[in-house]
Amino acid sequence: RKEVEQDPGPFNVPEGATVAFNCTYSNSASQSFFWYRQDCRKEPKLLMSVYSSGNEDGRFTAQLNRASQYISLLIRDSKLSDSATYLCVVNRNSGNTPLVFGKGTRLSVIA
Amino acid sequence: NAGVMQNPRHLVRRRGQEARLRCSPMKGHSHVYWYRQLPEEGLKFMVYLQKENIIDESGMPKERFSAEFPKEGPSILRIQQVVRGDSAAYFCASSLGQGPNIQYFGAGTRLSVL
Repeated sequence: RKEVEQDPGPFNVPEGATVAFNCTYSNSASQSFFWYRQDCRKEPKLLMSVYSSGNEDGRFTAQLNRASQYISLLIRDSKLSDSATYLCVVNRNSGNTPLVFGKGTRLSVIA
Repeated sequence: NAGVMQNPRHLVRRRGQEARLRCSPMKGHSHVYWYRQLPEEGLKFMVYLQKENIIDESGMPKERFSAEFPKEGPSILRIQQVVRGDSAAYFCASSLGQGPNIQYFGAGTRLSVL
């Protein structure tokens, strides 16, 4: 089983749509969780951290379910500029440890 | 620019040559991580360094790859005797080392081995 698994997509959605991405992780010792965004041939950029209580940043909402080892990202009112690959990322353990990346879910928002 | 700086952005080498990739962390960050991304693949951890110390090199290939982060100057990822399979994007990230381990990435070095 892969450490972090995501549906690769692609998700093709019209502007204004709501889209949700899911991710599962296998290491129960993971303590920190993130969503990064990666545009084609660019570096990953932090979109948001994910907390057990759930957190929201504008049109983006992230949820974490530790019991199920499941992370989600919801994007409301999709914009063309949201087109990118979304990476589910977890810490290998607690503290300053390497990040483990999913392969990403590709999103294309269509006019 | 206070971000993570990597150079060169693009590097072309012939098989058997050496590749040196450099990374200067974000100002105030003392933790550096190197990741590799093969075409159509996710990022894979290679090595984690603090100043003058290798903390975790569990993702480094056993041969030809080495990394350092000297007291002065950038972190260096060195690949000796490159092969075609080394062609990839190599990303460096840095973190503060306190609180949540948020890592910020440089623009990467794209290595092409001919």
